[in-house]
Amino acid sequence: EAQVTQNPRYLITVTGKKLTVTCSQNMNHEYMSWYRQDPGLGLRQIYYSMNVEVTDKGDVPEGYKVSRKEKRNFPLILESPSPNQTSLYFCASSKAKGAGSYNSPLHFGNGTRLTVT
Amino acid sequence: AQKVTQAQTEISVVEKEDVTLDCVYETRDTTYYLFWYKQPPSGELVFLIRRNSFDEQNEISGRYSWNFQKSTSSFNFTITASQVVDSAVYFCALTSSNTGKLIFGQGTTLQVKP
Repeated sequence: EAQVTQNPRYLITVTGKKLTVTCSQNMNHEYMSWYRQDPGLGLRQIYYSMNVEVTDKGDVPEGYKVSRKEKRNFPLILESPSPNQTSLYFCASSKAKGAGSYNSPLHFGNGTRLTVT
Repeated sequence: AQKVTQAQTEISVVEKEDVTLDCVYETRDTTYYLFWYKQPPSGELVFLIRRNSFDEQNEISGRYSWNFQKSTSSFNFTITASQVVDSAVYFCALTSSNTGKLIFGQGTTLQVKP
């Protein structure tokens, strides 16, 4: 089954303790992206990746890191989480293959609800 | 800069009523794409429709229809004869085909009561 898999689904952590949220897709998609969803703000893009070893900042990249060492995986890293990063996070992928094609619909993971105390 | 505004935060209707969700966008690009996504109470995000800036034809899919008007920079979504299963958060989104950035609106929560 074609899917985007995020883990964990729920995570409670403390300020400053490094964490990684994993994201994997089995559709051979080149484009992957991370979003956070907050009440009243919709979804805001954190980082995106157009291909292996290529990543770019979205609108709210501060406090986050990503890596794209292989096509299927796109982990989100919080080196020193803070309470304002408490949010619902979504990973997504699409078959977009380069400039002029970023109009493909996104396939989303089921989300990771992160609480930082 | 690109921007998407969904001014309706929450809408409540009774089953079988028609409802329109508004979406207004801003962009300087001449080629761009608009999307609608649905997020039911279970939380997943589901793609509904994509429209490019050169295609202003309205689209109908069953009870769903979309009205794209470049003159008013709007891409509104109408549900005819709403059903309880339509209860969800609906997001409008905008992208240029040349960047990887996808901008979402704030979302509209639709509640359809039986």
